[in-house]
Amino acid sequence: GEDVEQSLFLSVREGDSSVINCTYTDSSSTYLYWYKQEPGAGLQLLTYIFSNMDMKQDQRLTVLLNKKDKHLSLRIADTQTGDSAIYFCAESRTGANNLFFGTGTRLTVIP
Amino acid sequence: EAQVTQNPRYLITVTGKKLTVTCSQNMNHEYMSWYRQDPGLGLRQIYYSMNVEVTDKGDVPEGYKVSRKEKRNFPLILESPSPNQTSLYFCASSLGGLSGYTFGSGTRLTVV
Repeated sequence: GEDVEQSLFLSVREGDSSVINCTYTDSSSTYLYWYKQEPGAGLQLLTYIFSNMDMKQDQRLTVLLNKKDKHLSLRIADTQTGDSAIYFCAESRTGANNLFFGTGTRLTVIP
Repeated sequence: EAQVTQNPRYLITVTGKKLTVTCSQNMNHEYMSWYRQDPGLGLRQIYYSMNVEVTDKGDVPEGYKVSRKEKRNFPLILESPSPNQTSLYFCASSLGGLSGYTFGSGTRLTVV
């Protein structure tokens, strides 16, 4: 089970909160990441969480991890138009040297 | 500036004509990796390298070659490109562990 799944699209109004969800299947995952891809650009690491943590907050970003359900979410508070991008979750596993990425969620922020 | 540099950014080529996409990093990272990004499929790893002269296959290695003769460079070689290799390619490097990967800006390849 190496599948990492995300919904493909999310639209929110400017100023609202966005919640992007991700499910993974491999319980050996050690680190989980959120990356942001702006149009025409590479992926930028936003934040990460270690698998023994439940929550991590970093300014407007909150990451929640439910290890029992293998569910990861990224909450963006006070979403701005500059947050419009594709967001990827990714997992790495003990002893592995690669990241497994989800399909990406395209976030559109409506002014 | 710490970065991963890929060249070219855009490339259109014909089936069967060998090509190389270069990748260079200036952060002295040990790990380097190539991914391809396709709509609805996310990023899939092609090859990765843990250090000089150490490379291994990722999830979709067929039709690709890599080499790691120096720490900073990790070129991706398509010996005989085919249209199903039309994609957006990313090179990435990492110190390993928590640091995640630093990505290049991408190379959009079209094979006709």
